[in-house]
Amino acid sequence: AQSVTQPDIHITVSEGASLELRCNYSYGATPYLFWYVQSPGQGLQLLLKYFSGDTLVQGIKGFEAEFKRSQSSFNLRKPSVHWSDAAEYFCAVVLYNFNKFYFGSGTKLNVKP
Amino acid sequence: KAGVTQTPRYLIKTRGQQVTLSCSPISGHRSVSWYQQTPGQGLQFLFEYFSETQRNKGNFPGRFSGRQFSNSRSEMNVSTLELGDSALYLCASMTGVNTEAFFGQGTRLTVV
Repeated sequence: AQSVTQPDIHITVSEGASLELRCNYSYGATPYLFWYVQSPGQGLQLLLKYFSGDTLVQGIKGFEAEFKRSQSSFNLRKPSVHWSDAAEYFCAVVLYNFNKFYFGSGTKLNVKP
Repeated sequence: KAGVTQTPRYLIKTRGQQVTLSCSPISGHRSVSWYQQTPGQGLQFLFEYFSETQRNKGNFPGRFSGRQFSNSRSEMNVSTLELGDSALYLCASMTGVNTEAFFGQGTRLTVV
């Protein structure tokens, strides 16, 4: 069965520090991979996606993610965190030709001033 | 370009009642999916509609149903509400397959 694991439930970083959020997936082939962000009481906003090609993908708000097939990982990174980045981040996979997203449990990011 | 619109934003219902939620996808998008988000279970797929046909279904009881209209707008219905149905219900809009999903702001359903 497909699954997505986000091992960190909560992460706190200082403003200006770098950030890495971890995501591992379990699937027999390479799925399509996504990172979404959710502010309290809001929907999900797409940060970036990976379908194929270059394994380092750039997204909005200065985020990037790297797909590593050998590790079944798709970690999200940002070189310098801003207070406005405080939110919950979800990694997701979708199988080819199936519009069914499998989401990780999310990582809540707190940003210290 | 307008985003995904979900109505209403908030609902309070009593156990045993039924509820209908609405989702208007982005213009031109033919796929609409529904997700339930709860603190305990996280984000779970309910079902997907494409061109008025249910194409995929999650592991939810038959009390959860949906439909899609010819203009791609979708409704989700939950009958005989239970306390555990309290959740944020999110609608996702996609152009077709193998693309990203755009989410609405959700409908917060509280069952008392």
